[in-house]
Amino acid sequence: KNQVEQSPQSLIILEGKNCTLQCNYTVSPFSNLRWYKQDTGRGPVSLTIMTFSENTKSNGRYTATLDADTKQSSLHITASQLSDSASYICVVSPNLHYGGSQGNLIFGKGTKLSVKP
Amino acid sequence: EAGVTQFPSHSVIEKGQTVTLRCDPISGHDNLYWYRRVMGKEIKFLLHFVKESKQDESGMPNNRFLAERTGGTYSTLKVQPAELEDSGVYFCASSQVEGVLAEAFFGQGTRLTVV
Repeated sequence: KNQVEQSPQSLIILEGKNCTLQCNYTVSPFSNLRWYKQDTGRGPVSLTIMTFSENTKSNGRYTATLDADTKQSSLHITASQLSDSASYICVVSPNLHYGGSQGNLIFGKGTKLSVKP
Repeated sequence: EAGVTQFPSHSVIEKGQTVTLRCDPISGHDNLYWYRRVMGKEIKFLLHFVKESKQDESGMPNNRFLAERTGGTYSTLKVQPAELEDSGVYFCASSQVEGVLAEAFFGQGTRLTVV
């Protein structure tokens, strides 16, 4: 069964500190891996999209890494801000050529990040 | 430009009743997706429209769920009759292009509670 596992489930950090969120997946073959930020009461917002051939991608203070060999990804947040408090969701897209479909994304449960002043 | 909008934001209905959720995608987006998150679980795919056609409905849980997208613009998701396990947050998303890197923009979701 294709799965996406995230850790930790929740995390509390102080404003200004860095943190790293982890994502392990078993989806194979896969097309791309995405990180989304979801604020409470809102829909997920895309942070990064990486294909299997990319190792790292940055979006401001967010940097995602991908190791397709070990099937692991991480999201590093630098100099955290109070507005970073949200759930961060790792999403894997199965390969279209092997029966996957564009919208049939496989979501992790997310890591709930709380940034305290 | 308006984003993806969903109506209503919350709905509380009794078991056995019917509920219709609506999604207005971003203007010009041919691809429209429905997802849902039930309590304590991850978000799961329900179906994908390309314009008015169902491209993939493999995630629809059973025949109590009916999705339509007449005219290829807004979409509705009807649950009839609703059961307790249908409670959750239903998300709609849309994308402009097809392909593996199509970025989907999500609505804020409709929280459905079946009592």
